Amino acid sequence: GQQLNQSPQSMFIQEGEDVSMNCTSSSIFNTWLWYKQDPGEGPVLLIALYKAGELTSNGRLTAQFGITRKDSFLNISASIPSDVGIYFCAGLGGSRDDKIIFGKGTRLHILP
Amino acid sequence: GAVVSQHPSWVICKSGTSVKIECRSLDFQATTMFWYRQFPKQSLMLMATSNEGSKATYEQGVEKDKFLINHASLTLSTLTVTSAHPEDSSFYICSAGGTRDTQYFGPGTRLTVL
Repeated sequence: GQQLNQSPQSMFIQEGEDVSMNCTSSSIFNTWLWYKQDPGEGPVLLIALYKAGELTSNGRLTAQFGITRKDSFLNISASIPSDVGIYFCAGLGGSRDDKIIFGKGTRLHILP
Repeated sequence: GAVVSQHPSWVICKSGTSVKIECRSLDFQATTMFWYRQFPKQSLMLMATSNEGSKATYEQGVEKDKFLINHASLTLSTLTVTSAHPEDSSFYICSAGGTRDTQYFGPGTRLTVL
């Protein structure tokens, strides 16, 4: 079945640093989604990408839909303590019956 | 944005008992809701698709007789874990949305089976 490879699995950075994470797949997706999940909470949608090559920003977050439609990346600029959490990528195919496939997540830790 | 609630937010039960979890879309109608399970430090695993007015669609490997889903109205879906066992302890999350690619997640329900 379809799988998403998300990397890195975890990151330890200093406050103020930029962050980059990505997802790749052997399958083509029509939609890429990036979510953030805080401990004990449900995921919150950060950015949705619908078109190959699309680059979309949401505040300090920027995400791109890869040209091949098999990958996507998320960048966070000038990280702050509240960015701590788990970031999930998710892909959705073009068929009406397709389900959202989630990556395994990237755990972001910010060192004091 | 759209709001999805879940109740209860956490539950502890004895092995062998059944637990019902509710998922509500508060400010929109959802003909389809999704139920996920998430184990510690793992990703979300889709369990089933809940369809209003019809039977749920279960993912491979998910026992439909153990995880009963009822989507009786356009704003409410329930997941009942029947005869719960410790291995059913997990974080259960529902989602709903007007479109397939705009899914709003509930806050999750932490189930602990003793």
